[in-house]
Amino acid sequence: GENVEQHPSTLSVQEGDSAVIKCTYSDSASNYFPWYKQELGKGPQLIIDIRSNVGEKKDQRIAVTLNKTAKHFSLHITETQPEDSAVYFCAASNENSGGSNYKLTFGKGTLLTVNP
Amino acid sequence: DTEVTQTPKHLVMGMTNKKSLKCEQHMGHRAMYWYKQKAKKPPELMFVYSYEKLSINESVPSRFSPECPNSSLLNLHLHALQPEDSALYLCASSQDLAGGREQYFGPGTRLTVT
Repeated sequence: GENVEQHPSTLSVQEGDSAVIKCTYSDSASNYFPWYKQELGKGPQLIIDIRSNVGEKKDQRIAVTLNKTAKHFSLHITETQPEDSAVYFCAASNENSGGSNYKLTFGKGTLLTVNP
Repeated sequence: DTEVTQTPKHLVMGMTNKKSLKCEQHMGHRAMYWYKQKAKKPPELMFVYSYEKLSINESVPSRFSPECPNSSLLNLHLHALQPEDSALYLCASSQDLAGGREQYFGPGTRLTVT
């Protein structure tokens, strides 16, 4: 089955700096890669996703890049703010798999702390 | 609107109790999920419903019993739980399992088994 590795497990940055979180996946059939932000005491929130037919996607201060050849994808947050502090999870899945086989495989998470 | 609601927010139950967790979405999604999340870990898939039928059961013990009464509602019935079942239980939904598979999560129910 799919295996997703996520690094680093913790990341501390100063407000205004950039933060980068990296994930690698093992199944070359995976083609959908969402990122979730989970604040303390809340459920995961989908913040951005990318499909394998594109290499980069941006949404304001957040961007995701995908390298299919190397089987890795990254989350980039620019101009970080204290409210960006949370746990971030990457995930991977194969949207072409049959309904009963569809499953999101999550990385272990990165605790991002943005210091004011 | 991408809102999934869950009740209750917190639940404390004894090992002999029977309780239920509830989840609701009004996005017209036809796939709904239950996940279990332990502290500092990613969500673990428990069950998937597609068009109100159970599609995936990730070998979950029978003391957890899911139910999907209609396309907007998902329940998780709990009976004879163990202390190790204490966790955050998350509900999620997506358009369906055939495409457009963005999953949206609810806020979770924090369950404590005493």
